[in-house]
Amino acid sequence: DTAVSQTPKYLVTQMGNDKSIKCEQNLGHDTMYWYKQDSKKFLKIMFSYNNKELIINETVPNRFSPKSPDKAHLNLHINSLELGDSAVYFCASSRLSGISYNEQFFGPGTRLTVL
Amino acid sequence: AQSVTQLDSHVSVSEGTPVLLRCNYSSSYSPSLFWYVQHPNKGLQLLLKYTSAATLVKGINGFEAEFKKSETSFHLTKPSAHMSDAAEYFCVVSDQTDSWGKFQFGAGTQVVVTP
Repeated sequence: DTAVSQTPKYLVTQMGNDKSIKCEQNLGHDTMYWYKQDSKKFLKIMFSYNNKELIINETVPNRFSPKSPDKAHLNLHINSLELGDSAVYFCASSRLSGISYNEQFFGPGTRLTVL
Repeated sequence: AQSVTQLDSHVSVSEGTPVLLRCNYSSSYSPSLFWYVQHPNKGLQLLLKYTSAATLVKGINGFEAEFKKSETSFHLTKPSAHMSDAAEYFCVVSDQTDSWGKFQFGAGTQVVVTP
């Protein structure tokens, strides 16, 4: 069974379009994340939800809107796509253990290409 | 605040020789430290983690890392490189300061293995 899954794996679209990426985890974790990985492999945290509550909201254009319908799902909606949004987007999940977090488990990534 | 510095952006080794990837961290509290590997066009996979137990941590695929508090380092080593070790490696720190729930990623080290 896939622990953290993302759909779609590839997404090619035109500038100005709106698109969504979905993420699901079956690990029973309480925290989920979205990361953006640029062409130089740098990973930047975008958002994090703990039990459906937004706990991390980095400096990200408000065209990006996360939504967590339940603990197992975290979706990312992007409005008015721009060329600079082209990247690989990773979803991850983790569990709070006491006062610290256990390791993150990552999805396979969604490669977004904006033309 | 927490931060992590990977001292080498690129490491090239010959197959069968030792691998050393260097990581220094900054943390106000007892940190959790992780190493992840990312093979081309794949997601991130956990190699090993330190969470305040034994300072020498053994991971998968023959990798190990030593937590040295006095040097604020968490270097990753492997005695003998294999062609399949060619990948991007990320050192990650997490603690309980104002970055609750946040994992800070290093910039990554690309490992090239030559026959």
